[in-house]
Amino acid sequence: EAGVTQFPSHSVIEKGQTVTLRCDPISGHDNLYWYRRVMGKEIKFLLHFVKESKQDESGMPNNRFLAERTGGTYSTLKVQPAELEDSGVYFCASSQDRGFGRGREQYFGPGTRLTVT
Amino acid sequence: AQSVTQLDSHVSVSEGTPVLLRCNYSSSYSPSLFWYVQHPNKGLQLLLKYTSAATLVKGINGFEAEFKKSETSFHLTKPSAHMSDAAEYFCVVPGRGGYNKLIFGAGTRLAVHP
Repeated sequence: EAGVTQFPSHSVIEKGQTVTLRCDPISGHDNLYWYRRVMGKEIKFLLHFVKESKQDESGMPNNRFLAERTGGTYSTLKVQPAELEDSGVYFCASSQDRGFGRGREQYFGPGTRLTVT
Repeated sequence: AQSVTQLDSHVSVSEGTPVLLRCNYSSSYSPSLFWYVQHPNKGLQLLLKYTSAATLVKGINGFEAEFKKSETSFHLTKPSAHMSDAAEYFCVVPGRGGYNKLIFGAGTRLAVHP
């Protein structure tokens, strides 16, 4: 079974440019999450999709970030325009069910390292 | 609000010696707690979880953790380190309102020397 995949693995862009990160969850997982780790700090929650609906986007830092999950499959996270403080590692995770019990473990992808210069 | 504090940013051990990674939690109630591990260029992997059953929790790869309410701690241990244990370890607690939002500690990077 394929795990959570993320593309690209690395992205280097200039301040003011746009970047789109993609996450493909494990097949059949309705729940998809985005997290990020900025400059060696804690990994922080960004948002949670259930299928194509945003269940919780309380962690999104500002309106320069736009997450979508059309069709309830893969998700994209667009940063426009990118700022220096957006540099970090963006993780995606998916789970079969909500909560945390059997079948609800969040499976994480390897992350996308974003560098804004 | 729930939070976790990992007391060491870096831990270095020799192969075959015990591992101790420390985590203290803050919560207004008895929480669930997890340890995740991230090996280089890999995704975060659940190592073990405490969900208010047995206080001593066994995980994968020989790791275990003990929930101590009196000390608000959930330290991760392994009797004998292996080179393949070198990775970054995260203590994690679910946020309020459900388990959908995970709250991570700052991480502890474990180095294992021959």
